[in-house]
Amino acid sequence: EVQLVESGGGLVQPGGSLRLSCAASGFTFSSYSMNWVRQAPGKGLEWVSYISSSSSTIYYADSVKGRFTISRDNAKNSLYLQMNSLRDEDTAVYYCARDPNDYPYYFDYWGQGTLVTVSS
Amino acid sequence: QSVLTQPPSVSGAPGQRVTISCTGSSSNIGAGYDVHWYQQLPGTAPKLLIYGNSNRPSGVPDRFSGSKSGTSASLAITGLQAEDEADYYCQSYDSSLSAFYVFGTGTKVTVL
Repeated sequence: EVQLVESGGGLVQPGGSLRLSCAASGFTFSSYSMNWVRQAPGKGLEWVSYISSSSSTIYYADSVKGRFTISRDNAKNSLYLQMNSLRDEDTAVYYCARDPNDYPYYFDYWGQGTLVTVSS
Repeated sequence: QSVLTQPPSVSGAPGQRVTISCTGSSSNIGAGYDVHWYQQLPGTAPKLLIYGNSNRPSGVPDRFSGSKSGTSASLAITGLQAEDEADYYCQSYDSSLSAFYVFGTGTKVTVL
């Protein structure tokens, strides 16, 4: 059974940093592209970042470019999101999501999410 | 702001058929990019419902179907059930943006 479990969320002040993790199991993690998708309270879904299976290709949404860094450790079956210079508008539930294709296409499995609150 | 527009809400009685539209433009759906649909039950993570315009993943009831035409796509739910009450999102790709995944605005389905 495919499982994605996020962790690392919490309350942080504007301008602060936070590192999210996503532990994957039930599939060959190193064979799949992974993503972070967020959802602000009461709002819709917003794609944040993409990383290919080998980390050779990385994309970011304009809203986080230069502030967030996606990475993965295939030996540890883990995905990460380093978030710096956090803003109020970054407050959201952050989901890790798997893309079953070699290029950005769709998300076939999602984690349960971790809440990031940016507030003073 | 999303480039894919959905109605904020649709409703229907149990057993009825409801449809959710997803309207895009010539830089996304109209350009031939596929549309995918997700269901988000209250307080839970999204779940893939339809991929590649009309394909259902294993385990998704055949009450759910997807279609695409021109610059729009649709999700139909036939035989509406109480457990279908959720938010639904379409998703595609837009060539005019640097966002490789674009989502629709979302539709709340209410079972009367």
